Amino acid sequence: DGGITQSPKYLFRKEGQNVTLSCEQNLNHDAMYWYRQDPGQGLRLIYYSQIVNDFQKGDIAEGYSVSREKKESFPLTVTSAQKNPTAFYLCASSINLRPQRRGGYTFGSGTRLTVV
Amino acid sequence: AQKITQTQPGMFVQEKEAVTLDCTYDTSDPSYGLFWYKQPSSGEMIFLIYQGSYDQQNATEGRYSLNFQKARKSANLVISASQLGDSAMYFCAMREDNAGNMLTFGGGTRLMVKP
Repeated sequence: DGGITQSPKYLFRKEGQNVTLSCEQNLNHDAMYWYRQDPGQGLRLIYYSQIVNDFQKGDIAEGYSVSREKKESFPLTVTSAQKNPTAFYLCASSINLRPQRRGGYTFGSGTRLTVV
Repeated sequence: AQKITQTQPGMFVQEKEAVTLDCTYDTSDPSYGLFWYKQPSSGEMIFLIYQGSYDQQNATEGRYSLNFQKARKSANLVISASQLGDSAMYFCAMREDNAGNMLTFGGGTRLMVKP
């Protein structure tokens, strides 16, 4: 079955370390997104990519970096510059490049990152 | 300014009763889509219902219906016959067709169904 796989499910990071969260999809979706969710709050957009080798900053990109070398993969690196990285991270994808009317979004199951 | 506002941080509903979760939005784009998602404690995002800005009728999906009032810019979710399994966080989200594919989310409402 097609879907999005995020790994790992839980991740612990020491202060000052970079860490990379994996997101892989086999849906043949063009667009991919990274969201951050803090406890009891909504999702905020970190980065998004509409095609391979291109990505754009979202609302809270500072302290994060991404790459999109393959259509299937959109890894997120949380750098040491991110001052408060403890959060739940969700990856999503959607079909097509152009804005859609009824396009659906598929979400991964998330990675819970904790700084120790 | 907030693009999606959910004013109810938490709500209780009696099992088998109906409940309305509020959502207001702000956009100047004439073409947009509104989504509702359910997020149980496991963290996954479950799509519930979609309403397009040009849709003439309110969307319905099983026990879920969307009360779309375009002039008021509101898109309230109605859940009929609440079940214990409906206890979760609920998020309203918007996609503006001229601003790319990304979804903008509200802050969510935690729904608790009482037996």
